Amino acid sequence: DGGITQSPKYLFRKEGQNVTLSCEQNLNHDAMYWYRQDPGQGLRLIYYSQIVNDFQKGDIAEGYSVSREKKESFPLTVTSAQKNPTAFYLCASRGPGVIEQPQHFGDGTRLSIL
Amino acid sequence: GQQVMQIPQYQHVQEGEDFTTYCNSSTTLSNIQWYKQRPGGHPVFLIQLVKSGEVKKQKRLTFQFGEAKKNSSLHITATQTTDVGTYFCAGMVTGGGNKLTFGTGTQLKVEL
Repeated sequence: DGGITQSPKYLFRKEGQNVTLSCEQNLNHDAMYWYRQDPGQGLRLIYYSQIVNDFQKGDIAEGYSVSREKKESFPLTVTSAQKNPTAFYLCASRGPGVIEQPQHFGDGTRLSIL
Repeated sequence: GQQVMQIPQYQHVQEGEDFTTYCNSSTTLSNIQWYKQRPGGHPVFLIQLVKSGEVKKQKRLTFQFGEAKKNSSLHITATQTTDVGTYFCAGMVTGGGNKLTFGTGTQLKVEL
């Protein structure tokens, strides 16, 4: 969807290395999310942020870290503590509203181990 | 924790046949959303259901939300090759924070 940019599209990590995945949105959304997608397992929530300078752990936060210093940016770091990082990573954002709004996704980053 | 299961995991149909995927939650949901992910793509929002027993239609797609708000279904009438992809339901638990729990997805393949 337009408005959310993830980079890079493909990323390779060496053993013991930390890597950072970028997610930028120009939709002026407060809420942003990081998901991991493995084949046959759907999307699992890693971290989410509902406002600048605040974020919460999702269901599989171990081995990952995030920051939310700017409204439009929500980078995800995959640390060396994440022993099985190979997956498709999706960033999403959501607009405000009394009724829950849909999430808008970026094109994703495919991370592999060298 | 909350779990959202979908069945079937895979479905192959001939073009023109109908298709249904079912979504079941272990807890009551405040709302449920449906997304479609084309091969190699990212999930795209289709629809949201909020009310108990709600039924919504989008052309050949019919979405239902169960009376107990713990299950939902997506039915596609007369499938076309453009329907190929993985369909996910995603539910939000009341009081569970503003986060969705995605189902495991149903991958649909349509053969000519």
